[in-house]
Amino acid sequence: DAKTTQPPSMDCAEGRAANLPCNHSTISGNEYVYWYRQIHSQGPQYIIHGLKNNETNEMASLIITEDRKSSTLILPHATLRDTAVYYCIVRVYNQGGKLIFGQGTELSVKP
Amino acid sequence: NAGVTQTPKFQVLKTGQSMTLQCAQDMNHNSMYWYRQDPGMGLRLIYYSASEGTTDKGEVPNGYNVSRLNKREFSLRLESAAPSQTSVYFCASSDTLKLFFGSGTQLSVL
Repeated sequence: DAKTTQPPSMDCAEGRAANLPCNHSTISGNEYVYWYRQIHSQGPQYIIHGLKNNETNEMASLIITEDRKSSTLILPHATLRDTAVYYCIVRVYNQGGKLIFGQGTELSVKP
Repeated sequence: NAGVTQTPKFQVLKTGQSMTLQCAQDMNHNSMYWYRQDPGMGLRLIYYSASEGTTDKGEVPNGYNVSRLNKREFSLRLESAAPSQTSVYFCASSDTLKLFFGSGTQLSVL
């Protein structure tokens, strides 16, 4: 699986959009981009995934650049409960093998 | 539908003791994983099982053994616990789309 690079930390004002970047310059054509988050010391939670088109669900939006070398997770109206560590991962869609987490971005949403 | 269930939630061991962490999932997933997370760090993969009957090493397998007992259950064994194994352990299972995690086991080795 391709490696990812994320900033170690970010701040965001409550009610504003949080834009979390991820670089994955060595991504392969059959690898998807996945985002997870971990709140406090709970188990990580799936947020969203995509291949090359932008995706949106009830939690977030995912914007993938045309060359697929980077992506941005967008939380449109961040709340204090969105304070968490966010992980960007790339993997083959139906791969049942290992899934490696990087260090992630610690997002702090401030009042 | 409980998802991924881990037991125990907390455990304290003395150096050299052995124990098994249990994990079970009720989502009929093929793949299961064991991760550890040290304070202030990301998750590191210990072992994984892509399907029933198979297991493979992850990033940090030394000091651990695993058993994929059946499709539902994937256990992690510490044969001789060491203080360096003090950590929070997470089990996860996966369909083709995403991982589902248990609530974790906080293990302290004194």
